[in-house]
Amino acid sequence: DAGVIQSPRHEVTEMGQEVTLRCKPISGHDYLFWYRQTMMRGLELLIYFNNNVPIDDSGMPEDRFSAKMPNASFSTLKIQPSEPRDSAVYFCASSSLPTASGANVLTFGAGSRLTVL
Amino acid sequence: KQEVTQIPAALSVPEGENLVLNCSFTDSAIYNLQWFRQDPGKGLTSLLLIQSSQREQTSGRLNASLDKSSGRSTLYIAASQPGDSATYLCAGSNDYKLSFGAGTTVTVRA
Repeated sequence: DAGVIQSPRHEVTEMGQEVTLRCKPISGHDYLFWYRQTMMRGLELLIYFNNNVPIDDSGMPEDRFSAKMPNASFSTLKIQPSEPRDSAVYFCASSSLPTASGANVLTFGAGSRLTVL
Repeated sequence: KQEVTQIPAALSVPEGENLVLNCSFTDSAIYNLQWFRQDPGKGLTSLLLIQSSQREQTSGRLNASLDKSSGRSTLYIAASQPGDSATYLCAGSNDYKLSFGAGTTVTVRA
């Protein structure tokens, strides 16, 4: 398996532009997570999907952020309009087991590094 | 809300020395505790997962322990090598959320 695949790996954009980050989870993984990593705040959970359904989006910072999972093999995280403070590394992760099982090893993608000028 | 703390923030050791990385968490109702490795500019790689019913896990030179009563986990890396240089993060799992520590950046000097 190729693991969790994210694209683009790097994105530089100007303030006000729309940004779309993409993620392909590991086949068979029913749980998908979007995290954001910054020096100041570390790793933060933005949103979590189970069987393509958003379960908790309380970590999404503002209405400018939205995430979708139209099918089991694809998810997007969109920022519109983007702002300089959105600059961070965005990680997608997937798991085949629910957290409550205690055995849910998360597999992370390589991340998308976003720079908003 | 689970709070995870890692001390120290950075550690530098000579090659061959054993590494001890500490992680503390506030909520003992934890499903599991995971240790990850992150290399600069890269994603996170899961190293070890300790379920709440377990006390430790081992993989090669790595050993992680979990003490729920004291809210602590320790990652031991035996006979460190320069290739072990990376940032190590621990994460505690409650509900469906992983709460991450800020990480310990390890430098192993040749």
